[in-house]
Amino acid sequence: AQSVTQLGSHVSVSEGALVLLRCNYSSSVPPYLFWYVQYPNQGLQLLLKYTSAATLVKGINGFEAEFKKSETSFHLTKPSAHMSDAAEYFCAVSDRGAQKLVFGQGTRLTINP
Amino acid sequence: GAGVSQSPRYKVAKRGQDVALRCDPISGHVSLFWYQQALGQGPEFLTYFQNEAQLDKSGLPSDRFFAERPEGSVSTLKIQRTQQEDSAVYLCASSLELGREQYFGPGTRLTVT
Repeated sequence: AQSVTQLGSHVSVSEGALVLLRCNYSSSVPPYLFWYVQYPNQGLQLLLKYTSAATLVKGINGFEAEFKKSETSFHLTKPSAHMSDAAEYFCAVSDRGAQKLVFGQGTRLTINP
Repeated sequence: GAGVSQSPRYKVAKRGQDVALRCDPISGHVSLFWYQQALGQGPEFLTYFQNEAQLDKSGLPSDRFFAERPEGSVSTLKIQRTQQEDSAVYLCASSLELGREQYFGPGTRLTVT
């Protein structure tokens, strides 16, 4: 069975600092990996996805993530945090046949001025 | 074009009542998914449709939950004899076809009192 672990339920960084949100996955087959962002009272918006092409994936709003098979990780980074990045972030995995997404518990990102 | 819409956005039900939650997917999207998101948790898969066919309902928590998509467009998630543990946000997502990214609606927040 697939699973996702997000290390740190709450991350706080200063505006302009590096953002690093950690995600480790478990999958018995080559996975598809995703990062979604959720703002209060809104649905999830896709930030980026890995589907077996380049291991470094660039997404919207300046975010990127690197797929590391040896570490079973897919950490999300952004070089310089902006106040508008404050939100809940979810890492998700799916196998290529099932299509359903398996989500992590989420990480709440707070940006300090 | 319009995104995924869900109605109602908020629903309060007394324990034991039946509820029906509606999802309007993006026009032309073949696949439709339902997820349940408990407070402070990541979304969990409930069921999915390919056109009108329900291909996977392994995530439905009990026989009180069922979903339908009779004409391959709008979908309804019905919960019979609601219990307090059913309180959650119910998210709907659609995708153009299997394997493509899922677009999420804003969700319906169900509170069972």
